[in-house]
Amino acid sequence: GQNIDQPTEMTATEGAIVQINCTYQTSGFNGLFWYQQHAGEAPTFLSYNVLDGLEEKGRFSSFLSRSKGYSYLLLKELQMKDSASYLCAVMNSNYQLIWGAGTKLIIKP
Amino acid sequence: GAVVSQHPSWVICKSGTSVKIECRSLDFQATTMFWYRQFPKQSLMLMATSNEGSKATYEQGVEKDKFLINHASLTLSTLTVTSAHPEDSSFYICSGSGLSKQETQYFGPGTRLLVL
Repeated sequence: GQNIDQPTEMTATEGAIVQINCTYQTSGFNGLFWYQQHAGEAPTFLSYNVLDGLEEKGRFSSFLSRSKGYSYLLLKELQMKDSASYLCAVMNSNYQLIWGAGTKLIIKP
Repeated sequence: GAVVSQHPSWVICKSGTSVKIECRSLDFQATTMFWYRQFPKQSLMLMATSNEGSKATYEQGVEKDKFLINHASLTLSTLTVTSAHPEDSSFYICSGSGLSKQETQYFGPGTRLLVL
């Protein structure tokens, strides 16, 4: 079967750095997406990785290792507004997006 | 990023009535549109995928006669929940992607449906 694993919940302190991991097993691979979803709202796109390595976008970075079936989202200089769920999704060989259950990130002052 | 709108954002209806939700891509042509449902504290569940001008492909367990999807143009898709029941109460979210199959999905703001 196909599955995406990510931690259910993480807690971090304002101003700190947090890394949210995602491991996947899918039938083929056409890229990995990270989305942010605030409570009661729709997801917003954060990043896309299709090649191995690190993609940096401001305070957020996303890393991919295809051989390990592994990605992480790194959030720096955490702000209270970063409290949200972070969804990892992998596009398989049929161009279907397989979604993880999301990681709820709680930021404490 | 690209902008997708949804209307209405909130709807409350009586059991047995039908509800139509519109999804529009405002600044790009959405070759493919996706409809998701999300129950509280659960992950997104894909209901169906629709390509402009063709019939939608429904996920296993989703009744196509209950959830009617129309993708009449490259900027508009509609989801009609027919004969809604309280168990259909959920957060319905659409997304659109462009020409390439690998393109990012951009989500609308969602529609919260409450069936009484």
